[in-house]
Amino acid sequence: DAGVTQSPTHLIKTRGQHVTLRCSPISGHKSVSWYQQVLGQGPQFIFQYYEKEERGRGNFPDRFSARQFPNYSSELNVNALLLGDSALYLCASSLTGGYTFGSGTRLTVV
Amino acid sequence: GESVGLHLPTLSVQEGDNSIINCAYSNSASDYFIWYKQESGKGPQFIIDIRSNMDKRQGQRVTVLLNKTVKHLSLQIAATQPGDSAVYFCAETTSGGYNKLIFGAGTRLAVHP
Repeated sequence: DAGVTQSPTHLIKTRGQHVTLRCSPISGHKSVSWYQQVLGQGPQFIFQYYEKEERGRGNFPDRFSARQFPNYSSELNVNALLLGDSALYLCASSLTGGYTFGSGTRLTVV
Repeated sequence: GESVGLHLPTLSVQEGDNSIINCAYSNSASDYFIWYKQESGKGPQFIIDIRSNMDKRQGQRVTVLLNKTVKHLSLQIAATQPGDSAVYFCAETTSGGYNKLIFGAGTRLAVHP
C-alpha cells in the first residue's frame, strides 16, 4: 500500500513566482495537513483539510492557500515567493487522528 | 539530501548504550503526544505515541515517559544502533477530531560505533 506521496520532490523558484505542491494521501485517509519545515527547526502547521473543507490554518500569510479534491488529494499554493519560503513542505494524511507524513517537497527560492 | 538537524542540539552515544531524549511541551490542554524520527531527506516517521491518561508506554526498544506536572516528555531508546541516528521530534496535539501537531525543536541523535 502506497504511503503519502508528494510531488515534486525538489523545486527551485525565483522570488515573486508562484508554486503549486501536490499531495496524495494514503488510500482511505480523508484528512490532509500541510507543514513547513525550515532547516534546523521542527515542522510548522500551515493548513488542515477534511472532506474538502478547511479545518484549520496556521499563522501563515494569505500568500499561502490550499485545497482538497474529491479524491482527497491536495494542493498547496504559494504566491509571490520570498526567499524565506525556502523550506521542506510536508504533507500528512490521517484516518482517525494518527498522522503519516510524506517525504516532502524541498522548495528553494532564489 | 540536506540534513534537517544542522543547528539542533546533539546527543552523542556509543552503539549499544541507552539513549534518552527529552522534550518540553507547551500546551496544558494537549492530551496526545507523538515521537517522530526524521532522517535526512525524509519526512517524520512515527515512533511511538502516548495519551495523557498514561505516564509510560513501551514499544520495541523504545519507551515514552510523560510527566504532565512539568509538561515533559522523554523518549528512551534501548541498545542504540547506528540506524537510530536521526533527528527526533516530539509533537503534541489534542485528541478528538483532526487537530494540528505542534512540534518541539528537535534533537539530533548521533550513534558512534
